Amino acid sequence: GENVEQHPSTLSVQEGDSAVIKCTYSDSASNYFPWYKQELGKGPQLIIDIRSNVGEKKDQRIAVTLNKTAKHFSLHITETQPEDSAVYFCASGGSWGKLQFGAGTQVVVTP
Amino acid sequence: SQTIHQWPATLVQPVGSPLSLECTVEGTSNPNLYWYRQAAGRGLQLLFYSVGIGQISSEVPQNLSASRPQDRQFILSSKKLLLSDSGFYLCAWSVVAVGGAEAFFGQGTRLTVV
Repeated sequence: GENVEQHPSTLSVQEGDSAVIKCTYSDSASNYFPWYKQELGKGPQLIIDIRSNVGEKKDQRIAVTLNKTAKHFSLHITETQPEDSAVYFCASGGSWGKLQFGAGTQVVVTP
Repeated sequence: SQTIHQWPATLVQPVGSPLSLECTVEGTSNPNLYWYRQAAGRGLQLLFYSVGIGQISSEVPQNLSASRPQDRQFILSSKKLLLSDSGFYLCAWSVVAVGGAEAFFGQGTRLTVV
């Protein structure tokens, strides 16, 4: 079955520094890779996504890269701010449109 | 625009009692519907998904069941809750898309079984 691995499980960065979260997937049929941000007590919300016909996508301070050959994709947050503190999830789109999620990364941005 | 409603927001239930969590979606037709559980505030475990009325797929064996009586209604149930059923339950929907599509999540239900 599908499997998504996400690293690291926790990430502490100084405000203004960059944060990188990495994920690998196993299902060759996947072609959709979203990233979600979850704040405490709330449902996850999409922050950026990428499809397999694109290698990189950027939205202001957030970027995602995809290496389909190696089956890994990464989230990059530059110039981190305290409001970036949250749990981030990667996911991989498999058959029937359902998503398999990574285990999550707790990001803490310290002033 | 599409919206997803999930209730209740919090629930405390005794062991052995029944459970019914409801989720409804507005503004779209024939969505895929999902129930996820999040234990210890971290990973999202897919419990059930549905591609149509009456069509339910279970991802993991458990004490829970799901039903889809209407196109935009998804219900998570249990006849007798266990302590291990405690967690944060999230309903989500997406369009039908081979290879995946964005999932839109509800605000979740915090279930505590005592």
